[in-house]
Amino acid sequence: DGGITQSPKYLFRKEGQNVTLSCEQNLNHDAMYWYRQDPGQGLRLIYYSQIVNDFQKGDIAEGYSVSREKKESFPLTVTSAQKNPTAFYLCASSIDNYPGQPNYGYTFGSGTRLTVV
Amino acid sequence: AQSVAQPEDQVNVAEGNPLTVKCTYSVSGNPYLFWYVQYPNRGLQFLLKYITGDNLVKGSYGFEAEFNKSQTSFHLKKPSALVSDSALYFCAVRTTDSWGKLQFGAGTQVVVTP
Repeated sequence: DGGITQSPKYLFRKEGQNVTLSCEQNLNHDAMYWYRQDPGQGLRLIYYSQIVNDFQKGDIAEGYSVSREKKESFPLTVTSAQKNPTAFYLCASSIDNYPGQPNYGYTFGSGTRLTVV
Repeated sequence: AQSVAQPEDQVNVAEGNPLTVKCTYSVSGNPYLFWYVQYPNRGLQFLLKYITGDNLVKGSYGFEAEFNKSQTSFHLKKPSALVSDSALYFCAVRTTDSWGKLQFGAGTQVVVTP
């Protein structure tokens, strides 16, 4: 089955540590996205990537970093500079959505819950 | 710029009653509109979308939504709510003339009581 896999489902981080969240898709989608969700809140965009080896900051990129070396993979690193990293992190992907093309929306992973201990 | 508003943080409805979740949007061109649902500790699941054509769109789990261009709205509806419909619902929009990053609303928590 095609889809997006996020791992791990639960992650615990000590103060001052960097952690990396994995996101892999086998949908052959070009674009990938990372969102942060706080309890009872909406989605806030961290980073997104339209093609391999290219990515752009979203609304809350400070304290996070990403890479896009392969089409299938878009890992997110939560660095020690992120002061309040405890949250639910969602990865999503979509087909090329250039102007004039039909839009098929996003496919989401099942999320990673990160907790600072 | 594009934006989407979900004016209600929470909607409470009794099982068997009609359910409506409101969404209004603001875009500079023609909109593509989406509804997603999120259950606790899960990712978002696609419910339905409006691209073009018939203003009434039918989706998964008995949900439907009506596109109203004059009111710039895309309200989600279900004729008879189930307890299992209790979840967080998100409306999203993008325009046809821009690269496809979606703009999400803040979400509406739906609580269906037995």
